[in-house]
Amino acid sequence: GNSVTQMEGPVTLSEEAFLTINCTYTATGYPSLFWYVQYPGEGLQLLLKATKADDKGSNKGFEATYRKETTSFHLEKGSVQVSDSAVYFCALSRRTGANSKLTFGKGITLSVRP
Amino acid sequence: GAVVSQHPSWVICKSGTSVKIECRSLDFQATTMFWYRQFPKQSLMLMATSNEGSKATYEQGVEKDKFLINHASLTLSTLTVTSAHPEDSSFYICSAYHRGQNEQFFGPGTRLTVL
Repeated sequence: GNSVTQMEGPVTLSEEAFLTINCTYTATGYPSLFWYVQYPGEGLQLLLKATKADDKGSNKGFEATYRKETTSFHLEKGSVQVSDSAVYFCALSRRTGANSKLTFGKGITLSVRP
Repeated sequence: GAVVSQHPSWVICKSGTSVKIECRSLDFQATTMFWYRQFPKQSLMLMATSNEGSKATYEQGVEKDKFLINHASLTLSTLTVTSAHPEDSSFYICSAYHRGQNEQFFGPGTRLTVL
């Protein structure tokens, strides 16, 4: 079956530090890949997505590249801000339409210190 | 982005009682909604897919008679936990599919505690 594995957390960084959050997946075929972010007290929000190999999703300074050869979709940001403190979830779906089922990783909590 | 609400945000109930959780898409219509369950420090686990006007599709291992889902309108889906027990205590999250934006929008979740 499908599965998503995220690196263990939590992660604590100083402001302006470089961020990498690892995500690998197991799936048949060509899934679509997503990063969701959950700010305190709010629902999950789509951060970025990629629907085919070598696609790069980007939003708010975050980037992730769909690497089929390594089955990975690592999230990166060059300079984090305190406002980036949140829980980050990697997810996949087997089809490109967003009305298809999502499989999530465990999520990782990021805390950014001023 | 579109807004999805859940009500209540938290609920405490006695073992053996039933609890209903509402999921509403506030500014769009959603033919498809999803219900997830999240345990502490665990990922979101999809419980069922709720389709307006038809029966929900449950994931393997989810008891349909225990977790009743009703999607009677294009803006409302409800999850009823029947005869709740302490092991049903969890964080329940819904999402609604926005066709125009081709994206799922998530509610803030409902914390259920069964005593």
